Amino acid sequence: GAVVSQHPSWVICKSGTSVKIECRSLDFQATTMFWYRQFPKQSLMLMATSNEGSKATYEQGVEKDKFLINHASLTLSTLTVTSAHPEDSSFYICSARKPSYGYTFGSGTRLTVV
Amino acid sequence: TQLLEQSPQFLSIQEGENLTVYCNSSSVFSSLQWYRQEPGEGPVLLVTVVTGGEVKKLKRLTFQFGDARKDSSLHITAAQPGDTGLYLCAGAPTNAGKSTFGDGTTLTVKP
Repeated sequence: GAVVSQHPSWVICKSGTSVKIECRSLDFQATTMFWYRQFPKQSLMLMATSNEGSKATYEQGVEKDKFLINHASLTLSTLTVTSAHPEDSSFYICSARKPSYGYTFGSGTRLTVV
Repeated sequence: TQLLEQSPQFLSIQEGENLTVYCNSSSVFSSLQWYRQEPGEGPVLLVTVVTGGEVKKLKRLTFQFGDARKDSSLHITAAQPGDTGLYLCAGAPTNAGKSTFGDGTTLTVKP
């Protein structure tokens, strides 16, 4: 199989603070991971592609300075929401692709900024 | 611009009914996946189709990949309340490309 672990499952933070979300591939190495944002009852919107050992590739309209991505190892990518504001509240999901298996998603992180 | 158009967007049916969800694109995909997502959870992979014309069955679910690999359908027979959820199709233009997701179909099966 292919297991992706995402942590934390939910987080509440105050406006202006930063939050880090971790995405780990548990039983395979992932040179590329993906970060998505999902609003209620909507589909997943790709935010950025995380590349191990190099800079992330951000989708149009996504602020790279606000959503910092670090992919320092073959099994870990992190997304840091900096200076969070209430409008950043959302469901964030990561995924990784295992060759010959397809994409596996983490269980998601519910971020609430108050 | 969403490359994958999914329809219908919302579907509410009674237990025991059949339904079909469609995923259409003008682009060719090397593979296409169907996922089911429950509230507060990440999407769970149901199936991957890679060959044009391919049909895969998973219990009461039947997945079909179009001959030209531009579209796909998901058919559920005798739907049950446990089938309720958000169904997403996703396609990758190449084996190493990033997946694009359809808008999703929210299915509600009433007992």
